[in-house]
Amino acid sequence: QVQLVQSGAEVKKPGASVKVSCKASGYTFTGYYMHWVRQAPGQGLEWMGRINPNSGGTNYAQKFQGRVTMTRDTSISTAYMELSRLRSDDTAVYYCARAPGIAVAGTGAFDIWGQGTMVTVSS
Amino acid sequence: QSALTQPASVSGSPGQSITISCTGTSSDVGSYNLVSWYQQHPGKAPKLMIYEVSKRPSGVSNRFSGSKSGNTASLTISGLQAEDEADYYCCSYAGSSTLRVFGGGTKLTVL
Repeated sequence: QVQLVQSGAEVKKPGASVKVSCKASGYTFTGYYMHWVRQAPGQGLEWMGRINPNSGGTNYAQKFQGRVTMTRDTSISTAYMELSRLRSDDTAVYYCARAPGIAVAGTGAFDIWGQGTMVTVSS
Repeated sequence: QSALTQPASVSGSPGQSITISCTGTSSDVGSYNLVSWYQQHPGKAPKLMIYEVSKRPSGVSNRFSGSKSGNTASLTISGLQAEDEADYYCCSYAGSSTLRVFGGGTKLTVL
């Protein structure tokens, strides 16, 4: 079945970096965009950016420009999101989410989500 | 890019219908028929309920419907059931620069 499986929870100190992985299975990895969305405790969803797994091209939300890097390894159908210079307000659950738009027409929607990765930033 | 505006909470009794609004601008909701809605239960990942304003993915109950007028999109849930109690988020395509913007979320309580 189509699924996205993310890496486990992380605890980091302020100023450090974190890299979260998202392994895709059950579909052609390079045929769909991979987006990253985060959710701070008790808060709403926030779009961070996306990667085109086929070309490697990225688009980042202005808020995260300069701090976030999205990459992929097509040989293992895995996308990565690295966030640097972590602050306490980066404490959140980070989700990867698939979106059509490469091999099939885009719908603007995230049809498959990973289970989420909790990142805690604390000294 | 500001978040889309949703009511913080709505409630309804079993069997009733409720509507959640999602207000954006002419740069997002008003310009594209690419509004989607997500249901999120506590501790779970969001689930796609509506895409392209009014389309339902396979497996989603036809009790869920979507619409749009101008800069405001709406999600209607008819025949409310206890399992519909969750947080609901709207999301819109917002152009080639911002790409996506979410609403602040609405907590639905089934009384």
